Amino acid sequence: GAVVSQHPSRVICKSGTSVKIECRSLDFQATTMFWYRQFPKQSLMLMATSNEGSKATYEQGVEKDKFLINHASLTLSTLTVTSAHPEDSSFYICSATGTSGGEITDTQYFGPGTRLTVL
Amino acid sequence: GESVGLHLPTLSVQEGDNSIINCAYSNSASDYFIWYKQESGKGPQFIIDIRSNMDKRQGQRVTVLLNKTVKHLSLQIAATQPGDSAVYFCAEFGSSTTSGTYKYIFGTGTRLKVLA
Repeated sequence: GAVVSQHPSRVICKSGTSVKIECRSLDFQATTMFWYRQFPKQSLMLMATSNEGSKATYEQGVEKDKFLINHASLTLSTLTVTSAHPEDSSFYICSATGTSGGEITDTQYFGPGTRLTVL
Repeated sequence: GESVGLHLPTLSVQEGDNSIINCAYSNSASDYFIWYKQESGKGPQFIIDIRSNMDKRQGQRVTVLLNKTVKHLSLQIAATQPGDSAVYFCAEFGSSTTSGTYKYIFGTGTRLKVLA
């Protein structure tokens, strides 16, 4: 299957700082990338969907000015948590769909996740 | 509303036995379904998928069954092994009943515990 990476895997920051998380598709062209947040023992909550070269579509209740998403290329999307607070501490996971070997796939392939802890 | 739910939050199975994890979905317009496995501290890993024009699909030790009449999805794991211990999520892909856009909806997850 397709490989998606995330960086960093873990980050600890002070309240009020901004944190950037990168999501890369390593062996396919990710036309669409998704960002999820997952709290302990809960399911994945979709935050936003981004298509390469266009603005992200945010889910209801997700502040677009707080969670900045950029999908500038077919292999990279970034999520920036601005002015992070302790309640933003969570496991952030990206996923991607796109084309591989010329074929379009609906299957979402997930990155390994980023554990954010805001002190 | 939209929902994908699981009947059992935790399933304990003896090593070597077969496991069955169930999932109910509510959007009849969904046409693609996936099972993911998530180990602690990691991202979800694709296991198997099925499209709505099928009712069964088999992989290595795993089988997914789709019953569109009752909107039910199940994952069967044969000869369950300790390495199968994880949380399993079902996901449906289809048109949102509220916004009309296509999106994935994840179930609440079932924790599978394999007993030695």
